Amino acid sequence: EVQLVESGGGLVQPGGSLRLSCAASGFNFNNYWMTWVRQAPGKGLEWVANIKHDGSETDYADSVQGRFTISRDNAKNSLFLQMHSLRAEDTAVYYCAREHADYTCFDKWGQGTQVIVSS
Amino acid sequence: EIVMTQSPATLSVSPGERATLSCRASESVSTNVAWYQQRPGQAPRLLIYAAVSRATDIPARFSGSGSGTEFTLTISSLQSEDFAMYYCQQYNRWPPWTFGQGTKVEIK
Repeated sequence: EVQLVESGGGLVQPGGSLRLSCAASGFNFNNYWMTWVRQAPGKGLEWVANIKHDGSETDYADSVQGRFTISRDNAKNSLFLQMHSLRAEDTAVYYCAREHADYTCFDKWGQGTQVIVSS
Repeated sequence: EIVMTQSPATLSVSPGERATLSCRASESVSTNVAWYQQRPGQAPRLLIYAAVSRATDIPARFSGSGSGTEFTLTISSLQSEDFAMYYCQQYNRWPPWTFGQGTKVEIK
């Protein structure tokens, strides 16, 4: 069974940093592109960043470019999101998701981890 | 960036009835559209990809149609577990991947 389990969320002050992790199991992690999607309270879904299966390519939403870094450790079946200079508008549930093998949509999702940016 | 617009924002339907959800793209996205279901407090779940293909373990009462800029998700006979939020997403031109703002399907 495919499982994605996020961790690392919490309460952080504006300007602070946080590192999210996503532990993958049940599939060959190093064959898949992975992505982070977030959802602000009461709002819709927003794509944040993605990374190629070997880590050689990454893309970011304009709203996080230069502040967030996506990375992965294929040996440990893990995905990460390093977040710096956090703002109130970064408050959201952050989901890691697997990209479909043949289509660039997201076929498996974790349960999410909550990030709250507040003083 | 491609803007996805969903309508209506809220759809009130009785159990057993049909629900029809719409999604419009700001430019042609071919058939590169996915639909997701999100129940309260849960993560999104992929329902439909490539505009018309059901994802694994998705019941046959869910169907997708459309191409270009107009897309539809149909739920043929609503079950209690189908009352949820639904999002469309384009993956024709990225980044960014973009989602619609969602349609809430509620019990009438």
